[in-house]
Amino acid sequence: GQQVMQIPQYQHVQEGEDFTTYCNSSTTLSNIQWYKQRPGGHPVFLIQLVKSGEVKKQKRLTFQFGEAKKNSSLHITATQTTDVGTYFCAGPFGGGATNKLIFGTGTLLAVQP
Amino acid sequence: NAGVMQNPRHLVRRRGQEARLRCSPMKGHSHVYWYRQLPEEGLKFMVYLQKENIIDESGMPKERFSAEFPKEGPSILRIQQVVRGDSAAYFCASSPPAELGKNIQYFGAGTRLSVL
Repeated sequence: GQQVMQIPQYQHVQEGEDFTTYCNSSTTLSNIQWYKQRPGGHPVFLIQLVKSGEVKKQKRLTFQFGEAKKNSSLHITATQTTDVGTYFCAGPFGGGATNKLIFGTGTLLAVQP
Repeated sequence: NAGVMQNPRHLVRRRGQEARLRCSPMKGHSHVYWYRQLPEEGLKFMVYLQKENIIDESGMPKERFSAEFPKEGPSILRIQQVVRGDSAAYFCASSPPAELGKNIQYFGAGTRLSVL
């Protein structure tokens, strides 16, 4: 079946350190999206990548979509305590009439001040 | 422009009771999705609906679970005869027709269901 795996499952960093989470899909994706979920909160859309090899930046966050459109990464430079949460990648599966997203397993980021 | 509204935020049910979860999509959005999140786990797709139609219910358990999105009113996720294993956070998301193919979804705050 369709699977989206993320590593690591959990990452604990000191404030100011960098952080990267990796996302791998079992199949080629038309696009990939990243969401952030704060503890006790709901997923919030961060960004969408569509093109092969695409790189997008949002302040300290850098998102990359692999050349084969099967993997992606999120890199945070100089983490802050506000970065705490679980980061999910998600890809659309099914095509055609269905728009369901398959979410990755998530990476929980803990930032120690 | 109000976001995706879910209610109730918290719902407590005893085993065997029914749970009804409501979701009003963002204004202008006609696509609704339901996801379930077990504690410490990721989001699992359940069902995708458009007005009066179920488009994809491949993630819905075959028994006790049903969903609807009527012409008027919110989308409803209904769980009959709840069991302890149904305890989870249920998130609703919506997207506008213009995003079809882009699939950007906007999530509500969720309903936390606890089954005693």
